[in-house]
Amino acid sequence: GENVEQHPSTLSVQEGDSAVIKCTYSDSASNYFPWYKQELGKGPQLIIDIRSNVGEKKDQRIAVTLNKTAKHFSLHITETQPEDSAVYFCAASGPRGSNYKLTFGKGTLLTVNP
Amino acid sequence: GAVVSQHPSRVICKSGTSVKIECRSLDFQATTMFWYRQFPKQSLMLMATSNEGSKATYEQGVEKDKFLINHASLTLSTLTVTSAHPEDSSFYICSASRLTGTNYGYTFGSGTRLTVV
Repeated sequence: GENVEQHPSTLSVQEGDSAVIKCTYSDSASNYFPWYKQELGKGPQLIIDIRSNVGEKKDQRIAVTLNKTAKHFSLHITETQPEDSAVYFCAASGPRGSNYKLTFGKGTLLTVNP
Repeated sequence: GAVVSQHPSRVICKSGTSVKIECRSLDFQATTMFWYRQFPKQSLMLMATSNEGSKATYEQGVEKDKFLINHASLTLSTLTVTSAHPEDSSFYICSASRLTGTNYGYTFGSGTRLTVV
């Protein structure tokens, strides 16, 4: 089955700096790669996603890049703000044959210091 | 956008009793619903996948007789934790998806904190 590795497990940045979180996946058939933000005691909230036919996607301060050949994808947050502090999860989903299971990375605790 | 409502948000029950958690897709018909379990400071672990009108598919190591899943309609799935024990205490999260076409996505509920005493 799919295996998703996520690094780093913790990341501390100063307000205004950029934050980068990286993930790798093992199943070349995976074709959907979402990123979720989870605040304490809440469910995951989708912040951006990318599909395998696209190499990069941007939404204001958030961007995701995908390298299908290397099987890795990254989340980039620019101009970080204290409210960006949360746990971020990457995930990968396969095609119909995998029953569309979403496999998560272990998460990154991002702390943005004022 | 797609909204998934999960209830209750918190529940405390006595050991040996059963607890039911509901997951509803409010503004779309979900072909598939997923149930996850999350321990503190850990990632989400898939427990089972359910399609409307059919039996749920459980992940390896998840007891299907203990975690009963019912997906009776395209907008409602329930997870019942039967004969709950303290080790079942966890954060349970559902996700709903309309797995049609190529632009599918997943919407998560807000989670249920289960504490078994």
